Amino acid sequence: QQQVKQSPQSLIVQKGGISIINCAYENTAFDYFPWYQQFPGKGPALLIAIRPDVSEKKEGRFTISFNKSAKQFSLHIMDSQPGDSATYFCAASAANRDDKIIFGKGTRLHILP
Amino acid sequence: GAGVSQTPSNKVTEKGKYVELRCDPISGHTALYWYRQSLGQGPEFLIYFQGTGAADDSGLPNDRFFAVRPEGSVSTLKIQRTERGDSAVYLCASSSLAGTYNEQFFGPGTRLTVL
Repeated sequence: QQQVKQSPQSLIVQKGGISIINCAYENTAFDYFPWYQQFPGKGPALLIAIRPDVSEKKEGRFTISFNKSAKQFSLHIMDSQPGDSATYFCAASAANRDDKIIFGKGTRLHILP
Repeated sequence: GAGVSQTPSNKVTEKGKYVELRCDPISGHTALYWYRQSLGQGPEFLIYFQGTGAADDSGLPNDRFFAVRPEGSVSTLKIQRTERGDSAVYLCASSSLAGTYNEQFFGPGTRLTVL
């Protein structure tokens, strides 16, 4: 059972465009939703995270939109740059602060120069 | 300060051999996690340590996998009788559990190849 479903699997966006990655989850006990960015040969790095008590969180060019009733959340990358080319993972974690993180399968993003 | 480090960065072994993978967490981080990432997939949880004890080992696939953290800092993931299906990147993460969020910091991983 895949607890966090992510789409699309791959995405190509022109430089300066908006990149959008979508995720859906099943477990209503999840209350922490981070996005990780991973470059080849590196470990995942936390990009931005949200709790379900807010519908949107913005940090620079990166925005998370959260829809609690639909159990969906998405990452928007504004003014996408070639340096944003990486694999992005949405993830979720349950109520305990020390709980494991459940990852989606990832989206390979390529920004055309 | 230094981040999470993992050694070796690459490990090639033969089917049936024993391997040990090491993780050095960020200094002072009490929580340590092991994940496994297969090609084209997201990381999958294996085991979580709080201090020296394994608080959750529900992700270990079978009894060939074992991990220790004897002094509450460095951890070693041990795989016995390796199989080709064990080939993956093994990631370690640590957390201070000090903030509201469980922010986990990941190491670069060890790429294990079982021939």
